[in-house]
Amino acid sequence: LAKTTQPISMDSYEGQEVNITCSHNNIATNDYITWYQQFPSQGPRFIIQGYKTKVTNEVASLFIPADRKSSTLSLPRVSLSDTAVYYCLVGVYSGAGSYQLTFGKGTKLSVIP
Amino acid sequence: DSGVTQTPKHLITATGQRVTLRCSPRSGDLSVYWYQQSLDQGLQFLIQYYNGEERAKGNILERFSAQQFPDLHSELNLSSLELGDSALYFCASSSGQPNQPQHFGDGTRLSIL
Repeated sequence: LAKTTQPISMDSYEGQEVNITCSHNNIATNDYITWYQQFPSQGPRFIIQGYKTKVTNEVASLFIPADRKSSTLSLPRVSLSDTAVYYCLVGVYSGAGSYQLTFGKGTKLSVIP
Repeated sequence: DSGVTQTPKHLITATGQRVTLRCSPRSGDLSVYWYQQSLDQGLQFLIQYYNGEERAKGNILERFSAQQFPDLHSELNLSSLELGDSALYFCASSSGQPNQPQHFGDGTRLSIL
């Protein structure tokens, strides 16, 4: 299983860009990174997923450097409603179409007015 | 609303007992995943099914078992329960393709007394 490391917590002011990094063992080209957001008493909610370089959607960007030892979730201009726990998920290909899935411990983001 | 339904929302039982958690995936999704979330271990991947067949196995104890039925709903069976099994149990579903995100239900909170 992949080992993942995320900061336990982060604080940010409203309107700022927030970058959360997840460090993981080298992952292969078939392996993917996904980020989820979780609010209390709810299940994790998909934010973004990628295999390499940079992926952007309407809510976030994901950067995966060439050495693939880490990935960074970037949230532009956060608001109070972005206060939540953010998890990285590493999917490591284990053959026959299956992946071993490892979540990070989560980063609690607090957005301050 | 993720479209994934988990029942029951809460379950309280005693050590040594057996319980069954149920999950209905999103319409059209063929794959179901089970996770355990506890304060000390975080989100742990237990097992994945795809179209009725086991596809990947994570940190699932021998006392736990799961299955996916022809109508694609899934059940997670937990037996000989111990105090340490108290946790949130999440089900997620996806199309089953690795580049497609998982969608999580809101979980079943299991309390062992």
